Amino acid sequence: DAKTTQPPSMDCAEGRAANLPCNHSTISGNEYVYWYRQIHSQGPQYIIHGLKNNETNEMASLIITEDRKSSTLILPHATLRDTAVYYCIVRGTTSGTYKYIFGTGTRLKVLA
Amino acid sequence: GAVVSQHPSRVICKSGTSVKIECRSLDFQATTMFWYRQFPKKSLMLMATSNEGSKATYEQGVEKDKFLINHASLTLSTLTVTSAHPEDSSFYICSATRPTNYGYTFGSGTRLTVV
Repeated sequence: DAKTTQPPSMDCAEGRAANLPCNHSTISGNEYVYWYRQIHSQGPQYIIHGLKNNETNEMASLIITEDRKSSTLILPHATLRDTAVYYCIVRGTTSGTYKYIFGTGTRLKVLA
Repeated sequence: GAVVSQHPSRVICKSGTSVKIECRSLDFQATTMFWYRQFPKKSLMLMATSNEGSKATYEQGVEKDKFLINHASLTLSTLTVTSAHPEDSSFYICSATRPTNYGYTFGSGTRLTVV
């Protein structure tokens, strides 16, 4: 079973920040939080990941709560091309091979 | 870097025939690859873990004789849907472990339609 829960859908106005929440209350100390997105009929695309510190890259920011039981992906200035399904996944350390179990994800619709 | 190529992107086959889907890591070696299946408007469902040089590990409920997986080299894994039927029509996606901590890279998917 997926270790994460996300709202099924969200809308966001173009140019505004999109904040996508994820609950992972059973996360273990060595598990990372990964975010991917899937645009219609394509494979998932990596966005960002983190362990316990907040992270930022050219695509997004990841805010992880201090207890690590939840996180928020922030797309600072959403565009129409950001319309996609966003998946939050928890995964173990890279010392082993851990499979991704996808939850239902959040379908983000960016509105013009 | 870390590109995964999946081929074909789209295939239509007749009921009863077999179809092979290839997943290649183009610029890195992948000892482990994963195969997923996705129905319309649903999430990805893990089918199996493909390990180079050994047998694949299938998830519960996935028929290993129906979905044959071969991982003969560090850059290639194949999924063969044998004796395909219309209910096997789906979107199949592979992924491969990247050599860094940046998670898994996914292929672009294969849309299989069995008529």
